[in-house]
Amino acid sequence: DTEVTQTPKHLVMGMTNKKSLKCEQHMGHRAMYWYKQKAKKPPELMFVYSYEKLSINESVPSRFSPECPNSSLLNLHLHALQPEDSALYLCASSQESRVYEQYFGPGTRLTVT
Amino acid sequence: GQQVMQIPQYQHVQEGEDFTTYCNSSTTLSNIQWYKQRPGGHPVFLIQLVKSGEVKKQKRLTFQFGEAKKNSSLHITATQTTDVGTYFCAADSGGYQKVTFGTGTKLQVIP
Repeated sequence: DTEVTQTPKHLVMGMTNKKSLKCEQHMGHRAMYWYKQKAKKPPELMFVYSYEKLSINESVPSRFSPECPNSSLLNLHLHALQPEDSALYLCASSQESRVYEQYFGPGTRLTVT
Repeated sequence: GQQVMQIPQYQHVQEGEDFTTYCNSSTTLSNIQWYKQRPGGHPVFLIQLVKSGEVKKQKRLTFQFGEAKKNSSLHITATQTTDVGTYFCAADSGGYQKVTFGTGTKLQVIP
């Protein structure tokens, strides 16, 4: 199984809402990533989890809160977002020994109103 | 931080023509990866290059890593409509697991 799944596919939320994005992989990968991609731009790294511990936070605002409940799951909790946070949020995973060979999920298209 | 520029930004080719995208860094890279993102899709890993001057082939795709490890290229021979998408290079940005994607080249193939 070489698939990374993400739910939901689409999400519309108001600026006062709290929502969560979910990511799951069953490839036994111990590194998991969150990226943000704006239209016509490259993905931008947000967070990296390694062996379920947060190893990289790319100075992401605290309104984005990541969580890694176990080695297969990665969540991104959203609260008090701004319209400029509207984007495609991509989850990826990789083997610890091959961190640059990343497998991406289909993403969650987020719209903040 | 690390910046990786790609040229061209856009490329339209007739089906059957060749295509090349170039990736340039101001600093020496330890490795470089290439990804393809179809319209409406997600990035898909194509290949990683590690050695200076390395050349790798995947069917009609040829990947090169420069001798100075500051640039890389992806060449597609005889493009097909299935090659449509945005091609990104990606490189480590000064830290383990920290990846910076290049600006991307969007390829359109005219049948």
